[in-house]
Amino acid sequence: QITLKESGPTLVKPTQTLTLTCDFSGFSLTTSGVAVAWIRQPPGKALEWLALIYWNGDKRYRSSLKTRLTITKDTSKDQVVLTMTNMDPVDTATYYCAHSPAAIHFDEWSQGTLVTVSS
Amino acid sequence: DIQMTQSPSSLSASVGDRVTITCQASQDITNYLNWYQQKPGKAPKLLIYDASNLQTGVSSRFSGSGSGTDFTFTISNLQPEDIATYFCQHYKSLPITFGPGTKVNIK
Repeated sequence: QITLKESGPTLVKPTQTLTLTCDFSGFSLTTSGVAVAWIRQPPGKALEWLALIYWNGDKRYRSSLKTRLTITKDTSKDQVVLTMTNMDPVDTATYYCAHSPAAIHFDEWSQGTLVTVSS
Repeated sequence: DIQMTQSPSSLSASVGDRVTITCQASQDITNYLNWYQQKPGKAPKLLIYDASNLQTGVSSRFSGSGSGTDFTFTISNLQPEDIATYFCQHYKSLPITFGPGTKVNIK
């Protein structure tokens, strides 16, 4: 059974860096084809894909946020970490991590963490 | 970027009705299209992948069809537990993008 759980701050100040950790179980991020993604959803709005990290270490970012995002993995801990720099109130959203068997669909999601950006 | 549109943005239907949602891509995405259900305060749940394949464990009341730029998602025999927002998502190329969602209510 695949499970994912994200953790991190629920409140950050403008200009600060957000660090979110996704702890997962039930799969290995060394298995060919597997990827983990970060996706966010501003309150009342649509889902927005942010970043992907593949089993082989390859990384992809949303181009409009590329300069602010870093995604890394620690396979020994079964963790994926997302950092987003220079946070702004428009980044207020629920952040999810999700498992993807081949970066084509997201079949298991974390419960989501609402991150509020406010001074 | 490939843009996804959905219609309607919301709908109300009666228990037992057949409900249809459409999703249109701004360019040909062949069948690289998934559908998700999101209930309030919950994470999205994958229902349909590759346009028409039912995810394991998902009710057969849900179905999908289409290819190219036009796709359809159908709920047959609408049930109270189907109250949710439904999103389409493409994976033809990066960035992966989602549709704006269709909110389904019960009359």
